[in-house]
Amino acid sequence: AQSVTQLDSQVPVFEEAPVELRCNYSSSVSVYLFWYVQYPNQGLQLLLKYLSGSTLVKGINGFEAEFNKSQTSFHLRKPSVHISDTAEYFCAVSKTSYDKVIFGPGTSLSVIP
Amino acid sequence: DGGITQSPKYLFRKEGQNVTLSCEQNLNHDAMYWYRQDPGQGLRLIYYSQIVNDFQKGDIAEGYSVSREKKESFPLTVTSAQKNPTAFYLCASSKDRGDYGYTFGSGTRLTVV
Repeated sequence: AQSVTQLDSQVPVFEEAPVELRCNYSSSVSVYLFWYVQYPNQGLQLLLKYLSGSTLVKGINGFEAEFNKSQTSFHLRKPSVHISDTAEYFCAVSKTSYDKVIFGPGTSLSVIP
Repeated sequence: DGGITQSPKYLFRKEGQNVTLSCEQNLNHDAMYWYRQDPGQGLRLIYYSQIVNDFQKGDIAEGYSVSREKKESFPLTVTSAQKNPTAFYLCASSKDRGDYGYTFGSGTRLTVV
């Protein structure tokens, strides 16, 4: 069965500093990978997705993620964070385009002014 | 603009009562999903439907029921059999192919009083 691990439950970072949110998945087959963001008391919004092709994926709000098949990782990065990036971030995986998406437990990013 | 509408945003229920959460989408998406979110536990799938008049149980379906009589609507009923219903409930939809990612509603916070 697939699973998604987000090792850091909370990540505090100072404003304008870089940040990396880690995501690892377990699957023996090719997967589709996603990052979602959730602001307080709101639904989730898709940040970016990896389906195939280039391993570096760029998303909205200046975020990017890199797919590493050998390490089964899909870490999310931003070179300079803003206060407005404070939110919960979820990594997700699915085996095929018709398969259900499995979500990780989430990482709470807190940007400190 | 197209999107998913969940109502109400906040809902209070007395113990022993059934309550129905509304989810409507105008995205012409085939698949719809209900998730439950509890602090520190990420998203857990309750029910999903990939086509009208058909739905499947997710990981935590006990105490919940759904219907899919129209493509646009996927209401969730929280029954009195659900022992701990207080949570944040999220509805999502996707095209028939999940590689487009999910679109989420803004959620309903249910509190049992």
